[in-house]
Amino acid sequence: DAGVIQSPRHEVTEMGQEVTLRCKPISGHNSLFWYRQTMMRGLELLIYFNNNVPIDDSGMPEDRFSAKMPNASFSTLKIQPSEPRDSAVYFCASSLFGGYTFGSGTRLTVV
Amino acid sequence: GQQLNQSPQSMFIQEGEDVSMNCTSSSIFNTWLWYKQDPGEGPVLLIALYKAGELTSNGRLTAQFGTTRKDSFLNISASIPSDVGIYFCAGPNMEYGNKLVFGAGTILRVKS
Repeated sequence: DAGVIQSPRHEVTEMGQEVTLRCKPISGHNSLFWYRQTMMRGLELLIYFNNNVPIDDSGMPEDRFSAKMPNASFSTLKIQPSEPRDSAVYFCASSLFGGYTFGSGTRLTVV
Repeated sequence: GQQLNQSPQSMFIQEGEDVSMNCTSSSIFNTWLWYKQDPGEGPVLLIALYKAGELTSNGRLTAQFGTTRKDSFLNISASIPSDVGIYFCAGPNMEYGNKLVFGAGTILRVKS
């Protein structure tokens, strides 16, 4: 298995632009998680899905952030409009029985 | 909510030394997980602990699930340069459907 695949690995965008991060979970995993990592706040859970259904989005910072999981093999995290304070590494993770497998992350820089 | 406190925040040790780090919580956890994050990568699961008092080894790594279920420690014996990274403890947050909460991490640097 190729593991959790995230794209792009790096994204640099201008403030105000829309950003879409993508994730392909491990086949057969039924839970998917989006995390954000910063020096100040560490790893923060933004949202998670169970069987493609959003279960808890209480970690999503504000309405500019949205996430979808249209099927079991794909999820997106969208930021519109982006702001410099959104700069961080965004991780996707998937799980079947509690053990999370993380992707390599997307390093987002908003200038 | 359930918070995990990790210590130390960082360590700078000599190659060959043993390393010890720990994680505590004011709440009970039924599972403790230890992850390592290499630079530029996502966290990777090292050891999972499921029972109070459990002691589990993975090569040079040993982790224990505290008997009070409110703490865990991770030891690394005979450190080598590739042990460099950030080590996180994590556990499922029972108040919120068992989603994982992470400690702030321990940054490990090794002098060769």
